[in-house]
Amino acid sequence: EAGVTQSPTHLIKTRGQQATLRCSPISGHTSVYWYQQALGLGLQFLLWYDEGEERNRGNFPPRFSGRQFPNYSSELNVNALELEDSALYLCASSRDIAYEQYFGPGTRLTVT
Amino acid sequence: DQQVKQNSPSLSVQEGRISILNCDYTNSMFDYFLWYKKYPAEGPTFLISISSIKDKNEDGRFTVFLNKSAKHLSLHIVPSQPGDSAVYFCAASATSGTYKYIFGTGTRLKVLA
Repeated sequence: EAGVTQSPTHLIKTRGQQATLRCSPISGHTSVYWYQQALGLGLQFLLWYDEGEERNRGNFPPRFSGRQFPNYSSELNVNALELEDSALYLCASSRDIAYEQYFGPGTRLTVT
Repeated sequence: DQQVKQNSPSLSVQEGRISILNCDYTNSMFDYFLWYKKYPAEGPTFLISISSIKDKNEDGRFTVFLNKSAKHLSLHIVPSQPGDSAVYFCAASATSGTYKYIFGTGTRLKVLA
């Protein structure tokens, strides 16, 4: 069974630009979660999508947004990038909200 | 407001001994808890979970204990192996209401050979 995949592996952007990160969940998983791990910090919950709908979001500004497609893959968009957005962005999927999440390898976003 | 806390940023243990990683939470609505292990440059890997209806769950060398009255959970690794060296995150969720996982900041475990 293929795991959660994320692309790109690394992304370098400049301040003010937009970044788009992509995630493909494990087959059969309908929930996708996005997390941010900034240097020295734990995993901060960003967004949760289930069956194409945004179910919950963490304490992040509106310039962090995303969507889930009919095939359950997901996209995270970060607009008006700021230096502090530099972090590892992790995507996870689960087959139900009550089950454990399986994580992808992450996308390292660097904002210069 | 850190609802899930891992107060020890790092822990060193001799190979073969027990590793105990601790996690405290503040939200009494949390009823499902998980532990993840994370190696550098990889995403976290699920280790073990526990529901609030239990106080212990065991899987091989890994045992998670839950003390609901103290809002505390711990992960025991026995015996510890060098390959267990990683960052360990605990996570908590409330399976009713506005469900989401809250992660702790992680504890870096180093198992010394």
